[in-house]
Amino acid sequence: NAGVMQNPRHLVRRRGQEARLRCSPMKGHSHVYWYRQLPEEGLKFMVYLQKENIIDESGMPKERFSAEFPKEGPSILRIQQVVRGDSAAYFCASSPPGTGPSDTQYFGPGTRLTVL
Amino acid sequence: SQQGEEDPQALSIQEGENATMNCSYKTSINNLQWYRQNSGRGLVHLILIRSNEREKHSGRLRVTLDTSKKSSSLLITASRAADTASYFCATAGNTPLVFGKGTRLSVIA
Repeated sequence: NAGVMQNPRHLVRRRGQEARLRCSPMKGHSHVYWYRQLPEEGLKFMVYLQKENIIDESGMPKERFSAEFPKEGPSILRIQQVVRGDSAAYFCASSPPGTGPSDTQYFGPGTRLTVL
Repeated sequence: SQQGEEDPQALSIQEGENATMNCSYKTSINNLQWYRQNSGRGLVHLILIRSNEREKHSGRLRVTLDTSKKSSSLLITASRAADTASYFCATAGNTPLVFGKGTRLSVIA
């Protein structure tokens, strides 16, 4: 049973480009969470999605960042016009139906974004 | 903020010794969770303790929770080199999980 999958694992972008990060939750999971981790820091919550719905985006920057979790396919975290400060590790987590953001989450390996 | 803060920031011990990490937080919680992160990898869930529980065990792990002091501790007994990792506490209340900055544990063989 495959765990949470994220790709790419490493992504390099130049300032002003767009970054697209993908997350496939564990099989049977319907909730997806995105987090950002800066070096030597803990994870910071960004957004919580269920299929076709954004439930909580209180941690998302107001501009340039968006997330979706379509009916079919992976969840996408999109960062437009990247800046150096966006360089970080982005982690996706998932949880099964009937759970919520305060329950156990299962994490992917992360995408390390470097903005040149 | 209900952010958990781990203490110490870094801990280095010899294989076979016990490792204790502490977590303090500021607001009321529903549960508190501990996660492990190996270098360059994602987080792995270790244990969840609910606000009405005081102690929980899982293998070589022992977690305590004192809601009156708003603190938790994670004890790893008989440590192994493979336990080398960063350990994070995460608090769960009416908001999504809030993680602390972690304790970096090094177990020297």
